[in-house]
Amino acid sequence: EPEVTQTPSHQVTQMGQEVILRCVPISNHLYFYWYRQILGQKVEFLVSFYNNEISEKSEIFDDQFSVERPDGSNFTLKIRSTKLEDSAMYFCASRPGLGLNEQFFGPGTRLTVL
Amino acid sequence: AQSVAQPEDQVNVAEGNPLTVKCTYSVSGNPYLFWYVQYPNRGLQFLLKYITGDNLVKGSYGFEAEFNKSQTSFHLKKPSALVSDSALYFCAVRDNTNAGKSTFGDGTTLTVKP
Repeated sequence: EPEVTQTPSHQVTQMGQEVILRCVPISNHLYFYWYRQILGQKVEFLVSFYNNEISEKSEIFDDQFSVERPDGSNFTLKIRSTKLEDSAMYFCASRPGLGLNEQFFGPGTRLTVL
Repeated sequence: AQSVAQPEDQVNVAEGNPLTVKCTYSVSGNPYLFWYVQYPNRGLQFLLKYITGDNLVKGSYGFEAEFNKSQTSFHLKKPSALVSDSALYFCAVRDNTNAGKSTFGDGTTLTVKP
């Protein structure tokens, strides 16, 4: 069964450093998402991406964040200058085209900012 | 703005007993509702969804959920709980735009004791 994959599973970085979290969505999906989950808290929406552009973003997704689909398979989240409060689990999700279908989530990347 | 409430942080049941995990929602327009389960150090797994049609929705692993429009609820149920059902459960509502971001509840930890 196809699934969303994410790398790395755990990323440790120093405050102020740039990180790139990588996701490979399911191959025929058209909508892509990033969510984050701070330890012990709810899952929060960051950004949605469709047709090579951001379709919606939350107030969390400030100028420090960017997303890209550099080729036909990868979907990346970049944090330019990490802060301690960026420490969280980051989930990528994708879903098929138009229609009221569910999102398929990856296993997540745990980001630890020291 | 859409929102989801899961009024119970924790639900404890004995193996073999029925379980209910509660969820209420607030949304303008038609609700598109989902349940996801998260096992420790894992991603979010889709359980079931309500889009339209029958109010009783059946999903994975023997779970079902009952949509109640008048009470704006979408409670997750299972007739006979298993120890392996112990996990964190999230209710989510999707907006009806093409971007289709999900808004999650705070989550409910289900513990099934042998």
